[in-house]
Amino acid sequence: QSVLTQPPSVSAAPGQKVTISCSGSSSNIGNNYVSWYQQFPGAAPKLLIYDNDKRPSGIPDRFSGSKSGTSATLGITGLRTGDEADYFCETWDSSLSTEVFGPGTTVAVL
Amino acid sequence: QVQLQESGPGLVKPSETLSLTCTVSGGSMRNLYWSWIRQPPGKGLEWIGYISSLGNTNYNPSLKSRVTISVDTSKNQFSLELRTVTAADTAVYYCAKWTYDSGSGYFDLWGRGTLVTVSS
Repeated sequence: QSVLTQPPSVSAAPGQKVTISCSGSSSNIGNNYVSWYQQFPGAAPKLLIYDNDKRPSGIPDRFSGSKSGTSATLGITGLRTGDEADYFCETWDSSLSTEVFGPGTTVAVL
Repeated sequence: QVQLQESGPGLVKPSETLSLTCTVSGGSMRNLYWSWIRQPPGKGLEWIGYISSLGNTNYNPSLKSRVTISVDTSKNQFSLELRTVTAADTAVYYCAKWTYDSGSGYFDLWGRGTLVTVSS
């Protein structure tokens, strides 16, 4: 049971936008940076967003991140079938003294 | 371009020790942090711990009593030992590079992962 909460799945038609929420508390998201990871079936996770809203080199600007209070959001615009994957949020939890991952959200392109 | 590759036994017996090595190629390990993360089949990600190139470690409290992470920069490798394993330790184990700067930390490079099954 993660201390971070994500919806199990989100979906939208090609070209549309989806947002994935990651909800936590003051001991994690509220006072620490959030990163987001994309994982295709059978593959390793890949860093999509770090420091709440920064994109590593090579990540298209269709992917965006934001944080407000104790929640973070990943947005994907111009949805493509190639975006179908699991997405995980991650941050440090100061109370648990551990890195924590959200349970993951599966994105489906209708 | 830096790459990470996990290696080690794919099958470990209950109560024994799981041992994995991550080889870092294409770059130096110096002045960086290195981590282990695992993912049980069909489930989410769990951070195990990280180690600096100087050998300073930080472990997940839930695993701390059973885990040792070590580093050998001369071989460009770092390793994981997980003692007294049970079926609950069956997972894909990933090694990853952890970047830490001014209060921010994130896993910016991952190995492909290796499945370790705990079974007699």
